[in-house]
Amino acid sequence: DADVTQTPRNRITKTGKRIMLECSQTKGHDRMYWYRQDPGLGLRLIYYSFDVKDINKGEISDGYSVSRQAQAKFSLSLESAIPNQTALYFCATSVKGSLTGYTFGSGTRLTVV
Amino acid sequence: GQQLNQSPQSMFIQEGEDVSMNCTSSSIFNTWLWYKQDPGEGPVLLIALYKAGELTSNGRLTAQFGITRKDSFLNISASIPSDVGIYFCAALNYGGSQGNLIFGKGTKLSVKP
Repeated sequence: DADVTQTPRNRITKTGKRIMLECSQTKGHDRMYWYRQDPGLGLRLIYYSFDVKDINKGEISDGYSVSRQAQAKFSLSLESAIPNQTALYFCATSVKGSLTGYTFGSGTRLTVV
Repeated sequence: GQQLNQSPQSMFIQEGEDVSMNCTSSSIFNTWLWYKQDPGEGPVLLIALYKAGELTSNGRLTAQFGITRKDSFLNISASIPSDVGIYFCAALNYGGSQGNLIFGKGTKLSVKP
């Protein structure tokens, strides 16, 4: 099984719908992140959480919300999806003070029509 | 804010050729990382660099941490078709208030057999 699992892998939704992307990890890491990838723009940080009670906005948090249900689970919600939120979304995990960066999930490809 | 300038944005090369890409910043970092993203997957760590001037190899990959601590490069020797993907540089100042990775926008590598 993957260390960082994202569900669903692909999703098509309609404008205005609420959608949740889920991430779970078996690495025991305390820190979790949500990134968005668009062609030519690299990876942009949406939200991050250093532990269950610590959630922080990233550089592009507008239109998104998150929930850290447990140390191993971090979900991303789009309250009212819009077409420009069509992108590839990645969850990542890390340990405080880690020297080896992040472990990424395989991504969720979201299309808003 | 801190930014990483990664170049080139894309490369289209012949199998067997060597590849070089780099990442620069106006800020100083104490850790540089290089990731590869295969099509349809999340980024995976290739090489981590922790000391200015450090030169590290991983098979056909070689990366260096610049002396000024503001840049890093990645070389791939004798490219093969499975080298196709997007390569990201990332930098970190661990021990800082956030410890979040900063990513370059990526270099998309295409290899012609």
